[in-house]
Amino acid sequence: QLQLQESGPGLVKASETLSLTCTVSGGSITSSSYYWGWIRQPPGKGLEWIGSIYYNGNTYYNPSLETRATISGDTSKKHFSLKVSSVTAADTAVYYCVRSGMAYDYWGQGVLVTVSS
Amino acid sequence: QSVLTQPPSVSAAPGQKVTISCSGSSANIGKNYVAWYQQLPGTAPKVVIYENNKRPSGIPDRFSGSKSGTSATLGITGLQIGDEADYYCGAWDSSLSTELFGGGTKLTVL
Repeated sequence: QLQLQESGPGLVKASETLSLTCTVSGGSITSSSYYWGWIRQPPGKGLEWIGSIYYNGNTYYNPSLETRATISGDTSKKHFSLKVSSVTAADTAVYYCVRSGMAYDYWGQGVLVTVSS
Repeated sequence: QSVLTQPPSVSAAPGQKVTISCSGSSANIGKNYVAWYQQLPGTAPKVVIYENNKRPSGIPDRFSGSKSGTSATLGITGLQIGDEADYYCGAWDSSLSTELFGGGTKLTVL
C-alpha cells in the first residue's frame, strides 16, 4: 500500500526558506506513470497547487509561486522535497505531498507550517 | 478568488440527493478532465471522481460525476451523515499551465 509522509519544521520565520520532504513507502517515484507534487491549504481556506515533479526530473510550478518554489527528487532515497523561499504569513498552510495519475489519488496526512514574524 | 466556481454550501436530508456544480472556462473544464475531492474534517482530501465521471475503487456508486461544456457536476444520492464534508473540484488549466481547484463546497446533511 502506497503511503506518503511529509516531514519538516512546523515553524518558519518570515523571509526565510520553508523546506519539506515527502517520504514515499510502498512505491517508487521512478515510475513514468505518475507525477509527484505538493498542494497546500491555508487554514480555513481552499486548495492551492504548488507544483509537481516527473520521474525524469522535469518540474512544473504554479506561476504564482514559480519564482519561489523548488521541487526536487531523490529516487535512491525514495523521497522528494519542496523549498519555498522568502516566505511570508501568506505561506502559512497545511502542506500536502501527493501522487498524481489521473487525479491526485494519494495524499500525505499534511503538515502545518506556520510563518512567524 | 478561485477560477473554478463552486457554491459555498449545499444541504439536504439523509437519504436525499444533492448536486454540486463547478463552473470554469474553455481553458480548464472545457478542455481537460475534472476530478472531485472529498475532505472530511481534519483529514486530507480524497478523490471520489476522476476523469469527469469515473469512481476510484472503494467509492460507492452513490457518487457520480458529469461534465458538459465548461461546467461539471458532482452528484451524491442516498445521503448519509458520513458524507458531510467539503468537496472540491479540480482541473488543469491549459492557458495558465497550472492545476486549479474550486473554492470548495461544504455539504451539510441535515
